[in-house]
Amino acid sequence: AQSVTQLGSHVSVSEGALVLLRCNYSSSVPPYLFWYVQYPNQGLQLLLKYTTGATLVKGINGFEAEFKKSETSFHLTKPSAHMSDAAEYFCAVSEVSGNTPLVFGKGTRLSVIA
Amino acid sequence: EPEVTQTPSHQVTQMGQEVILRCVPISNHLYFYWYRQILGQKVEFLVSFYNNEISEKSEIFDDQFSVERPDGSNFTLKIRSTKLEDSAMYFCASSESWRGNTDTQYFGPGTRLTVL
Repeated sequence: AQSVTQLGSHVSVSEGALVLLRCNYSSSVPPYLFWYVQYPNQGLQLLLKYTTGATLVKGINGFEAEFKKSETSFHLTKPSAHMSDAAEYFCAVSEVSGNTPLVFGKGTRLSVIA
Repeated sequence: EPEVTQTPSHQVTQMGQEVILRCVPISNHLYFYWYRQILGQKVEFLVSFYNNEISEKSEIFDDQFSVERPDGSNFTLKIRSTKLEDSAMYFCASSESWRGNTDTQYFGPGTRLTVL
């Protein structure tokens, strides 16, 4: 069975500092990997996804993530945090075969301090 | 930009009552999903729906749950007899292609269900 672990339920960074949100997964097959963001009172919005090809994936709002198969990781980074990045971030995985549902991590709340 | 909408944003109900959560998926999408998130826990898959029938469901989706696409635009989740443990945020999502796992699932803002 697939699972996703997000280290740190709450991460706090200073404005302009590096953002690093960690995600590790377990899957019996090469998975598809996703990062979603949820701003207050809004739905889950896709930040980026990895399906095949280049392992470094760039998303919206300056975020990127790198698929590392050997480490079963898909960490999300942004070089310089902005106040508007404060939100809940969810890592998710789905199997390559069929229309399997997304399996989510518990989420990481990012706070950005001025 | 097209978006998934959900109503109501917050529903309060008494234990044992029936509730219907409503969703309007993006208009050209073919796959529809319900997920839920109990406070402090993971977002969990409930059910997926394609071509007017359930394509997959989780063990959470027992006989008290049902889904329906009553017309060309709405997608509903019914909970027949609510329990305290049904209190959660319920998210609707939709994706464009039958290849749902490669397509992006677009999520609505959620309905917070509180069972008293």
